[in-house]
Order: sequence, then C-alpha cells, then structure tokens
Amino acid sequence: KQEVTQIPAALSVPEGENLVLNCSFTDSAIYNLQWFRQDPGKGLTSLLLIQSSQREQTSGRLNASLDKSSGRSTLYIAASQPGDSATYLCAVNDYKLSFGAGTTVTVRA
Amino acid sequence: DTGVSQDPRHKITKRGQNVTFRCDPISEHNRLYWYRQTLGQGPEFLTYFQNEAQLEKSRLLSDRFSAERPKGSFSTLEIQRTEQGDSAMYLCASSLEVDEKLFFGSGTQLSVL
Repeated sequence: KQEVTQIPAALSVPEGENLVLNCSFTDSAIYNLQWFRQDPGKGLTSLLLIQSSQREQTSGRLNASLDKSSGRSTLYIAASQPGDSATYLCAVNDYKLSFGAGTTVTVRA
Repeated sequence: DTGVSQDPRHKITKRGQNVTFRCDPISEHNRLYWYRQTLGQGPEFLTYFQNEAQLEKSRLLSDRFSAERPKGSFSTLEIQRTEQGDSAMYLCASSLEVDEKLFFGSGTQLSVL
C-alpha cells in the first residue's frame, strides 16, 4: 500500500523567502506525481505534474523535483507572497492518486 | 471544456437520511475517481471507474455507499442511512488515461447532524 508523507506539516515564513516543501513515498512504481494547492473549504488546484521519467518540472515561481529511486519529491516556491498561503498536497499516481496530509503554508506580509 | 462539476456544493442532512451526489467529469475522460477528505487530512481514495466499469472500491466504502457511472458519463455517489462520521468533503476527479493528470471538482461538503 502506497504511503505518502509530507514534511513539515506547517510552515510560516516572511514574504520574499523561498519555500521548500518535502514529500516522500514508499513505492517507486508510479506513473507520475502531482502537486496540488488547496485553499480552505475549496477543491484542489493542480500546480505541477512530473512524469516518472522526468527529474523536474517548472512553472513560473514553482519548481518540483522527483527522485523516484529514493521515493522523494520537493516543491520549491521562489520569492513567496502572501497569496501563496494555502495547503500544498503531494499525490502519487500508481493507477490512483495517494495523497499526503499536506503542508499548510502561511506567508506573512 | 468546463472542468469537473459537482452538485450540490453543500449538503446538510439529518442522521439516517439518504443523500446522493453527482459528478460530471470532463467530457471524453475515461477515468473517474471519488475521494473523501476530512479536516486536516489529505483526500482518501474511495472508488474509481474506467468508463462505466467500477474497477475498485476502497475498504473505506462501506455497504452504505454505492457509486454508479451509467454509460460512462456522469457519476453518482449515494450514501444510505448517513452517520455523523460521514461528514466530510466528497471530491470527484477525472482523467483521460491512467498516466494523465487528474482534474478535481470543487467538491460537495456534507454535514450530517
């Protein structure tokens, strides 16, 4: 059974700092890994998808890396802004998505 | 392409009542998933369909829960004899194929009083 762990559970940083969010998973036989953003009481917004053959994926200030052999992914958010405050979820696709519990980020103005 | 739609957005019901949720996936998406999310947790897998076939049901899905996807289009999730522990956000997602990106709806927030 796939287990997904996200560390830290919560993070508070001043505006402008870079964010580093970690995700680990137990079974490396995956199709891809997705990072999502979730605002309170809302659905999931897909941020980045990394296929199992890729090492990283970038979109604007977001960069995600994938090391399938060690079962790890990292999401970097550069120059954080208050609007980045949300919960970030990592999900591994091994025919269905298995989610971590998320990292709740607060960016202080 | 209007994305994944879920209805209703919110549902308040009394314990013991039956409720039904609807999900309209992105057109032509073959795979449809149902997830449940409680406060402070990541979404938990409930079940998924490949076209109209229900291929897997999680152990979380007791016999009070049933899901259908007639004709491989929209899907419904019914909960019979609701319990307070069923209170959660129910999320629907769809994808074109197993290795493609999943797109989520806004969810249905269920409150059982």
